[in-house]
Amino acid sequence: EAQVTQNPRYLITVTGKKLTVTCSQNMNHEYMSWYRQDPGLGLRQIYYSMNVEVTDKGDVPEGYKVSRKEKRNFPLILESPSPNQTSLYFCASSLFPDGTQYFGPGTRLLVL
Amino acid sequence: SQKIEQNSEALNIQEGKTATLTCNYTNYSPAYLQWYRQDPGRGPVFLLLIRENEKEKRKERLKVTFDTTLKQSLFHITASQPADSATYLCAPSGYSTLTFGKGTMLLVSP
Repeated sequence: EAQVTQNPRYLITVTGKKLTVTCSQNMNHEYMSWYRQDPGLGLRQIYYSMNVEVTDKGDVPEGYKVSRKEKRNFPLILESPSPNQTSLYFCASSLFPDGTQYFGPGTRLLVL
Repeated sequence: SQKIEQNSEALNIQEGKTATLTCNYTNYSPAYLQWYRQDPGRGPVFLLLIRENEKEKRKERLKVTFDTTLKQSLFHITASQPADSATYLCAPSGYSTLTFGKGTMLLVSP
């Protein structure tokens, strides 16, 4: 089954404790991206990747890092989480940047 | 800069009626426009794509129109059902860019 998986689905952490949210897709898609979604603000792109070892900032990259060492995986790293990063996070993949996006199930993060 | 407008207020309709959602965009000439459905706490799911040279696209009870002169897309759900209740996002796309609108919540009451 074609899918995008994210882990963990729910995470409660404390300020400053580094965390990683994993994302994996099995559709051999070149393009992957991370979004955060907050009430009233819609989906905002954090980072995207056009291919292995090619990543770039989206609209709200501050406080986040990503890597793309393999085509299928695109982890999101919060090196020093802060309460304003409490949000619902989605990973997405597609064949092209403007193509149909396939989203993961989401990761709900609470930073205390 | 690019701007996408979808009704921020929820649309409440009765079961069986046709729901019409609007997506307006400015400072943008997308090659096509996508519509997605999002249920609470879940990732958006692709529904339909309409290209700039297509006036209308249908899929079962869904119909999308695309007016490049008005810079507007309309999304219709005919014979709506409570199960259609969700937030619907439009995403003007093309030329290697895709931007999501904030979405409109649709509530279909029995």
